[in-house]
Amino acid sequence: NAGVMQNPRHLVRRRGQEARLRCSPMKGHSHVYWYRQLPEEGLKFMVYLQKENIIDESGMPKERFSAEFPKEGPSILRIQQVVRGDSAAYFCASSRQGVNTGELFFGEGSRLTVL
Amino acid sequence: QQPVQSPQAVILREGEDAVINCSSSKALYSVHWYRQKHGEAPVFLMILLKGGEQKGHEKISASFNEKKQQSSLYLTASQLSYSGTYFCGTERLVGSGNTPLVFGKGTRLSVIA
Repeated sequence: NAGVMQNPRHLVRRRGQEARLRCSPMKGHSHVYWYRQLPEEGLKFMVYLQKENIIDESGMPKERFSAEFPKEGPSILRIQQVVRGDSAAYFCASSRQGVNTGELFFGEGSRLTVL
Repeated sequence: QQPVQSPQAVILREGEDAVINCSSSKALYSVHWYRQKHGEAPVFLMILLKGGEQKGHEKISASFNEKKQQSSLYLTASQLSYSGTYFCGTERLVGSGNTPLVFGKGTRLSVIA
């Protein structure tokens, strides 16, 4: 059973470009969570999605950031017009049901560098 | 609201014990503990649920004081492989529906020979 798959693992963008990060949850998991991690810091919650629905986006910046989890295909975190402050590791996690039923399974992360 | 972890960092010799604490200002439904090694994904250790149920790692124990909104992770007879950053993640107690995990800033544990 494949784990949570994230791609790309590393992404380099110039200021003003767009970054698209993809996450395929574990088979049978319908809950997806995106977290951002800066060097030497914790995991900052961004958005929680279920299939075709955004459940909680309280951690998402109001501008330039968007996320989706379509009926078919991976979840996508999209960052438009990237700035240097967007450089970070972005982790995706999935669960079969809500977090109170068990663990989150994390992907290896996508490391974004903005030049 | 982000939970607060303490200590921020700790260094142990093999075989020593450590306690990592996590506290929240909000009523909690569950507390999770994860360990992350440098450059890797966080890995699940333990979940503690309101009401006392626990699921997790056999060699690691934890407690959850619901009234105080606090949890502690107990690492006994530490091994080199225990090194990493430990995160607690808290799930708020709300009327209905699922809420995401909010993680603390982490506790960096270094075990030396």
